[in-house]
Amino acid sequence: AQTVTQSQPEMSVQEAETVTLSCTYDTSESNYYLFWYKQPPSRQMILVIRQEAYKQQNATENRFSVNFQKAAKSFSLKISDSQLGDTAMYFCAFRNGGSQGNLIFGKGTKLSVKP
Amino acid sequence: DAGITQSPRHKVTETGTPVTLRCHQTENHRYMYWYRQDPGHGLRLIHYSYGVKDTDKGEVSDGYSVSRSKTEDFLLTLESATSSQTSVYFCAIREGGMNTGELFFGEGSRLTVL
Repeated sequence: AQTVTQSQPEMSVQEAETVTLSCTYDTSESNYYLFWYKQPPSRQMILVIRQEAYKQQNATENRFSVNFQKAAKSFSLKISDSQLGDTAMYFCAFRNGGSQGNLIFGKGTKLSVKP
Repeated sequence: DAGITQSPRHKVTETGTPVTLRCHQTENHRYMYWYRQDPGHGLRLIHYSYGVKDTDKGEVSDGYSVSRSKTEDFLLTLESATSSQTSVYFCAIREGGMNTGELFFGEGSRLTVL
């Protein structure tokens, strides 16, 4: 069975600094997808970024980028120029390619951005 | 905006009573999902649906049933609520094709079972 591990329950960063959230996963599949979701205090789940396993290039969305290390089964999220609005829970998630589409989530990392 | 509406958004009930949560979508997506979120557990899949009357169990399906009689509505029922089912429940839909789609979530329904 696939598993997703986020080893940092809580992190904090100063505004305008850079922070990296860790995620590792375990799978025997070769075709899969990885995601980072953000959950602010409003509770809404917001898709931040996605990565297809077959793509070697790391995904980037504005201030958010990933470091995808397929051999190491690692998928970290880097947030540059952190803003107060980045304060949220961040969840790493995994999905098999071609499956019924359900995501397997890590337990989350609570990120606090301090002024 | 993926057009997902969950109702009710908040509910307090007593142990042993039946509860139904509704997820409504407006964009004719085939796949719909129910997750629950608990501190220290992230989100865990309860049930999902891949079409009208087509459903399957997820990781934590015990004590829950679902129904999908039309494309736009996916209902989650707790036949006899227990305190362990106190949680935040999220509905999700999948956009895109089989190999590319990501999930988009509703705003969640907070259920408290006393």
